[in-house]
Amino acid sequence: AQSVTQPDIHITVSEGASLELRCNYSYGATPYLFWYVQSPGQGPQLLLKYFSGDTLVQGIKGFEAEFKRSQSSFNLRKPSVHWSDAAEYFCAVGAPGAGSYQLTFGKGTKLSVIP
Amino acid sequence: KAGVTQTPRYLIKTRGQQVTLSCSPISGHRSVSWYQQTPGQGLQFLFEYFSETQRNKGNFPGRFSGRQFSNSRSEMNVSTLELGDSALYLCASRTGQGSTGELFFGEGSRLTVL
Repeated sequence: AQSVTQPDIHITVSEGASLELRCNYSYGATPYLFWYVQSPGQGPQLLLKYFSGDTLVQGIKGFEAEFKRSQSSFNLRKPSVHWSDAAEYFCAVGAPGAGSYQLTFGKGTKLSVIP
Repeated sequence: KAGVTQTPRYLIKTRGQQVTLSCSPISGHRSVSWYQQTPGQGLQFLFEYFSETQRNKGNFPGRFSGRQFSNSRSEMNVSTLELGDSALYLCASRTGQGSTGELFFGEGSRLTVL
C-alpha cells in the first residue's frame, strides 16, 4: 500500500523568503505525485503534478517540485513567498489500478507567512 | 465552467441519525470520488464511482455508502452516525479517461455529529 509522509506539521516563513515543503512517499511502482493547497473553507486545489518525464515540474502560483526517485521525495519549492500563500499544503500519491483511481494524502503542512 | 458543487455545506446531526450528502461534478466529468477530512486522520479516500458503478472503496465501515446517477451526480450516505463521523466530506470529480487526471475538489460538506 502507498503512503505519504510530510515531516513538517507547521512552517512559518517571512514574506519574500524561499520555501521548501518536504514530502516522502512509499509506493511500489512509478508513482503519480501531486501537491494540493487548501485554504480555510475551500477544497484542495491542485498546484502541480508529476506523472513521468522531466523530474522538475512547474505549477501554478510560482511553485515547483522535484521528483527524486532515489530519495522517494517530491519536495515543493517557491523562491519567494507571498502572504497569500498562507494555507495548508498536501502531498499526495496516486495509485491507479484495476480501473480505479484514488489518492493517498499526507497529513499536510500548514504554512504561515509573516508580513 | 462551473466547479464541483456540494450540498449542504454545513449540517448538524445527532448520534444514531443518518445523513445524505450530494455532489454535482464538473460538466463532462464521469468519475466522482469522496474523501473524508479530519484533523487527526487528514484526507482519507472513501470511494470512487464511474458510470454509476463503484470502482474502489476505502477502509471505512459499511455505514458509509454512496451511489452515482446517470447524470454523474453522486450522493453519499452515512447511517447510524457516530461522534467520530464529524468531518469535512469532500467530493472530487475527474473526466474518468484512463487512470490519470487531475482531481477537482468541491468545497466540502462539514458534518457535525452531536
